[in-house]
Amino acid sequence: NFMLTQPHSVSESPGKTVTISCTRSSGSIASNYVQWYQQRPGSSPTTVIYEDNQRPSGVPDRFSGSIDSSSNSASLTISGLKTEDEADYYCQSYDSSNHWVFGGGTKLTVL
Amino acid sequence: EVQLVQSGAEVKKPGESLKISCKGSGYSFTSYWIGWVRQMPGKGLEWMGIIYPGDSDTRYSPSFQGQVTISADKSISTAYLQWSSLKASDTAMYYCARVGPAAIAADYWGQGTLVTVSS
Repeated sequence: NFMLTQPHSVSESPGKTVTISCTRSSGSIASNYVQWYQQRPGSSPTTVIYEDNQRPSGVPDRFSGSIDSSSNSASLTISGLKTEDEADYYCQSYDSSNHWVFGGGTKLTVL
Repeated sequence: EVQLVQSGAEVKKPGESLKISCKGSGYSFTSYWIGWVRQMPGKGLEWMGIIYPGDSDTRYSPSFQGQVTISADKSISTAYLQWSSLKASDTAMYYCARVGPAAIAADYWGQGTLVTVSS
């Protein structure tokens, strides 16, 4: 099976743009859709991106997702950072048996 | 409004059995998968498995196969996660999530059930 590797933490100032990466260890990142989940402290996860770059209704367009086959990675970009964006972010994909794989999570600090 | 409401926190002793629940409402319960995700204290998300309540098709993560049982009762729109013999290492928050028909992504999440196993 493959792994998804995320940076442990990132930080940026309010109003700026931050990008969180998610690198797939084997197999093509484009083979299976990537999702991104946000988990604020003490709360359940919520879905912010599905199918690589689709936003659920209610998620601001400040959140965007993309994949890059050259680096075999997916990215979550958050523009116009707000303090409320401070959270842990997890990428997720799946294998040929539809078994899910989560990245280790990235702690976003907005300071 | 789609809602997943999970059962309350549990405190158990090692060796005891446990069944926690996740009740769906606001959508056709038999048309979506329900997934279970573990989060150990201070750690990340781990996929445990999913069930399709329409026909009880169930898939487990290899890491959890044989360790837990996932089931569903479509007559009451409720999915379950159960253990026959708990270990201290089962101490964690457990989340259920609604998963789309393709079984690849969650869209709605429950509030979580905290399971504490301690002697």
